[in-house]
Amino acid sequence: GNSVTQMEGPVTLSEEAFLTINCTYTATGYPSLFWYVQYPGEGLQLLLKATKADDKGSNKGFEATYRKETTSFHLEKGSVQVSDSAVYFCALGETSGSRLTFGEGTQLTVNP
Amino acid sequence: GAVVSQHPSWVICKSGTSVKIECRSLDFQATTMFWYRQFPKQSLMLMATSNEGSKATYEQGVEKDKFLINHASLTLSTLTVTSAHPEDSSFYICSASGSSGGTYNEQFFGPGTRLTVL
Repeated sequence: GNSVTQMEGPVTLSEEAFLTINCTYTATGYPSLFWYVQYPGEGLQLLLKATKADDKGSNKGFEATYRKETTSFHLEKGSVQVSDSAVYFCALGETSGSRLTFGEGTQLTVNP
Repeated sequence: GAVVSQHPSWVICKSGTSVKIECRSLDFQATTMFWYRQFPKQSLMLMATSNEGSKATYEQGVEKDKFLINHASLTLSTLTVTSAHPEDSSFYICSASGSSGGTYNEQFFGPGTRLTVL
């Protein structure tokens, strides 16, 4: 079956540091890949997505590239801000239908 | 993007009572809705998938008689926690997807409902 493995957290960085959160997946077919962000006490917000191999999703300075050869979708940001503190979830969408498989989530804390 | 609302955003109830949570898609027709449960510092656990007009499909280990799901229209699904107990206290999140005709139908998430059972 499908699965998503995320880098274990928590991750603590200083403001303006470089961020990488690793995500790898196993899946059949050609899934879509997503990063969601969850701020304290809130639901999930879509951060970015990629629907096919070599696609790069980007939003708010974050980016991730769909790498089929390494089955990865690592999240990166060149310079994090305190407001980026949240939990980040990597997710895989089935080839057809709408079911999502989530990673474990990575707590990011950015200190001023 | 598409907007999904949940009501209430938080609820406190006494043990033994039932609680209903609503999930609405505000600007699109949701052919499928999902209900998730999230424990503190953990990932989302899919509880059930519901398609409009048909019975929900529950994940293994989820009691369908305790967590009643109704998806009576293309814009509304409800989750009723029956005879709630303190161990049902959790953050419940719904999501909705339409039918785009593409290979993947994106889910849009509601803001969540915090349930506390005393």
